[in-house]
Amino acid sequence: AQTVTQSQPEMSVQEAETVTLSCTYDTSESDYYLFWYKQPPSRQMILVIRQEAYKQQNATENRFSVNFQKAAKSFSLKISDSQLGDAAMYFCAYKDGGSNYKLTFGKGTLLTVNP
Amino acid sequence: NAGVMQNPRHLVRRRGQEARLRCSPMKGHSHVYWYRQLPEEGLKFMVYLQKENIIDESGMPKERFSAEFPKEGPSILRIQQVVRGDSAAYFCASSPPGLGGDEQFFGPGTRLTVL
Repeated sequence: AQTVTQSQPEMSVQEAETVTLSCTYDTSESDYYLFWYKQPPSRQMILVIRQEAYKQQNATENRFSVNFQKAAKSFSLKISDSQLGDAAMYFCAYKDGGSNYKLTFGKGTLLTVNP
Repeated sequence: NAGVMQNPRHLVRRRGQEARLRCSPMKGHSHVYWYRQLPEEGLKFMVYLQKENIIDESGMPKERFSAEFPKEGPSILRIQQVVRGDSAAYFCASSPPGLGGDEQFFGPGTRLTVL
């Protein structure tokens, strides 16, 4: 079974600085998707960024980018120019490609942004 | 286009009562997924439904839990004879047909508290 591990239960960053959240996963599949979701105190799950495993180029969305290392099965999230509104729980998630639809989530990293 | 809607947002039940959680997917989405988030944990897959069909319920507890997605109306997650261990946030997600579920849009969740 696929597993997702987030080894940092909590992280903190100063406003305007950069922070990197770690995620590793285990799979025997070659075709899959990886996601980072943000869960603010409202508890709404918000998709931050997505990466297809067959794409070598790292995904970017404005201040958010990933470092996808397929051989190492690592998928870290970098947040640049951190803002107070970035404070939230961040979840890394995995999904097989093809018709498999289950998202497998890590336990999350709580990010605090200090003014 | 309204997002995924869930109601109620908060539900309090006493042990032994029934809980009914509702999910209306985004317009045009015919795939619905239910996830459960226990305290301090990531989301765990419960069940995947299409209209009038349960596709995969491998994450559902064997007893007391059931789900449906009728031809008309919202998807319902039903928990009979609730126990304290059922206290959790229950999230519904939806996706359009044809994408293999690779992007799931989440509702705001229902927080169930069992007294």
